[in-house]
Amino acid sequence: QVQLVQSGAEVKKPGASVKVSCKASGYSFTSYGLNWVRQAPGQGLEWMGRISGYNGNTNFAQKFQGRVTMTIDTSTSIAYMELRSLRFDDTAVYYCTRRGLPPFFDIWGQGTTVTVSS
Amino acid sequence: SYVLTQPPSVSVAPGKTARITCGGNNIGSKSVHWYQQRPGQAPVLVVYYNTDRPSGIPERFSGSNSGNTATLTISRVEAGDEADFYCQLWDSSSDHPVFGGGTTLTVL
Repeated sequence: QVQLVQSGAEVKKPGASVKVSCKASGYSFTSYGLNWVRQAPGQGLEWMGRISGYNGNTNFAQKFQGRVTMTIDTSTSIAYMELRSLRFDDTAVYYCTRRGLPPFFDIWGQGTTVTVSS
Repeated sequence: SYVLTQPPSVSVAPGKTARITCGGNNIGSKSVHWYQQRPGQAPVLVVYYNTDRPSGIPERFSGSNSGNTATLTISRVEAGDEADFYCQLWDSSSDHPVFGGGTTLTVL
């Protein structure tokens, strides 16, 4: 079946970087984009950016410009999101989610908890 | 950028109808999508393009969109419907998605 499976929980210190992976299966990886959405504890959904599964083109929310990198490996159907210079308020659940031509997100990963703690 | 406004909470008795609103400037001219997020779980798409339901979503879930308000309606509410609900659209001016702040549905 179509699914996105993310890497496990991470605990990082302030100033460090975290890299989260998202493995896609059950569909043509290059036919869809993957978006990253995060959710701080008790808060709503916040879009971070997206990457094309076809050519790796990216588009980021202004808030994360310069601090986030998104990449793909089409040979393994894995997308990666790296966030640098972590702060306490980056503590959140990070989701990858699929978007095709229609402008909504039809498949979500299970989420990866990133905790920033000293 | 475009702003979507949702009420923080909605409460409804079992078997009754819940209506969750999503306000935005002339939102009726746009396509709105809705997600349900149960505690500790990832969001799930329940309505797309204002009124369509993905396969597997009960017919009790329906959507409408007109004027400055989009609405998610849940008929014959069940205890298992308790969740946070988010509306979303794609802002063409920024080429970014926009999410509403979310509404917590409580079944009394």
